Amino acid sequence: KNQVEQSPQSLIILEGKNCTLQCNYTVSPFSNLRWYKQDTGRGPVSLTIMTFSENTKSNGRYTATLDADTKQSSLHITASQLSDSASYICVVSDRGSTLGRLYFGRGTQLTVWP
Amino acid sequence: EADIYQTPRYLVIGTGKKITLECSQTMGHDKMYWYQQDPGMELHLIHYSYGVNSTEKGDLSSESTVSRIRTEHFPLTLESARPSHTSQYLCASSERTGGETQYFGPGTRLLVL
Repeated sequence: KNQVEQSPQSLIILEGKNCTLQCNYTVSPFSNLRWYKQDTGRGPVSLTIMTFSENTKSNGRYTATLDADTKQSSLHITASQLSDSASYICVVSDRGSTLGRLYFGRGTQLTVWP
Repeated sequence: EADIYQTPRYLVIGTGKKITLECSQTMGHDKMYWYQQDPGMELHLIHYSYGVNSTEKGDLSSESTVSRIRTEHFPLTLESARPSHTSQYLCASSERTGGETQYFGPGTRLLVL
């Protein structure tokens, strides 16, 4: 069964600190992996996308890594800001169908305190 | 920010009422999607469309229906709302098939009393 598991479920950090969010997946055949940021009451916004051959991708203070062998990804946030408070969702796409079906994790709820 | 819009943003309605959630995108995307998301849970695909006059059911069974008469418009309708329909509904669109980035609207939070 294709699944995406994220940890931790929730995380509280102080402003300025770094943090790392984890994503494990069993989706096969693998196409790509995205990290989305979802602010409360808003739709998800794509942060990074990685294909099988990529093992790291940065977007400002966000750096995602991918280990396709172990089927693990992480999202590292550097020098956190209050605006980073949101749910971070790992999304894996398969290439086994014309739809390019997406499998969503439940997200990690990050809270940044001043 | 993506040019995809949803109205209303919030809706409180009584049981048995008919409702339509609107979704429009100005990016000319062929593919559009509806997801249902409960608090703290993952998004579940309930409907999708490859283009005009194309509609398909997603992974999660839903009593809602959709239509795609125009490329930019993908409304979702519930003929008779029930409390079990209370959820957040997210609309998304993408440019073509096969694992491309989906752009999400802001969502509609529905509460059925």
